[in-house]
Amino acid sequence: SAVISQKPSRDICQRGTSLTIQCQVDSQVTMMFWYRQQPGQSLTLIATANQGSEATYESGFVIDKFPISRPNLTFSTLTVSNMSPEDSSIYLCSVGGWQGHYYGYTFGSGTRLTVV
Amino acid sequence: GDSVTQMEGPVTLSEEAFLTINCTYTATGYPSLFWYVQYPGEGLQLLLKATKADDKGSNKGFEATYRKETTSFHLEKGSVQVSDSAVYFCAHHSGGSNYKLTFGKGTLLTVNP
Repeated sequence: SAVISQKPSRDICQRGTSLTIQCQVDSQVTMMFWYRQQPGQSLTLIATANQGSEATYESGFVIDKFPISRPNLTFSTLTVSNMSPEDSSIYLCSVGGWQGHYYGYTFGSGTRLTVV
Repeated sequence: GDSVTQMEGPVTLSEEAFLTINCTYTATGYPSLFWYVQYPGEGLQLLLKATKADDKGSNKGFEATYRKETTSFHLEKGSVQVSDSAVYFCAHHSGGSNYKLTFGKGTLLTVNP
């Protein structure tokens, strides 16, 4: 399965600023996903990012707040814009792909964001 | 719509105790089922999976059987260790062109020596 490098691993940011999170994969993948995990909560899908097309956002998430880039098949970025303390979460990227007869997923180690 | 209902924690056990974490799902079609584990301060790791009815996924002493008749995928381990302390997430992927994973809320397991 793919190996994902996600950075930064953690950051403390001032409200009103923006943070860009990078996700690098060691192989070419079609589907990349960005999740948010709020403190003590489960994972919520923010958007699906396919190379060469606009990201598809889930209900409750908008491009102006979470712009995503997907310039090639091994890299994606998620920006958290105009941050507020409510954006303090773990952000994880994930890639999907066929692994034999099933569709599987690999996750990055996450970015722990604290907004003060 | 698709959903995963997972036993809420926290669950606290003594070392060598038996563990069960219940998970049921609703999905269209024939989903693949997963258990992920998140150790403190880390990302998610796939623990085990099952892709069709009656399949049993197993890894590191953990097991879960895909029960289509009860739409369940309960996680079990016969003898837990302190190192098993983590958050466990049940998830499914419904297949087709929808590649989204649907997660349960997670269960925090603490194993005491």
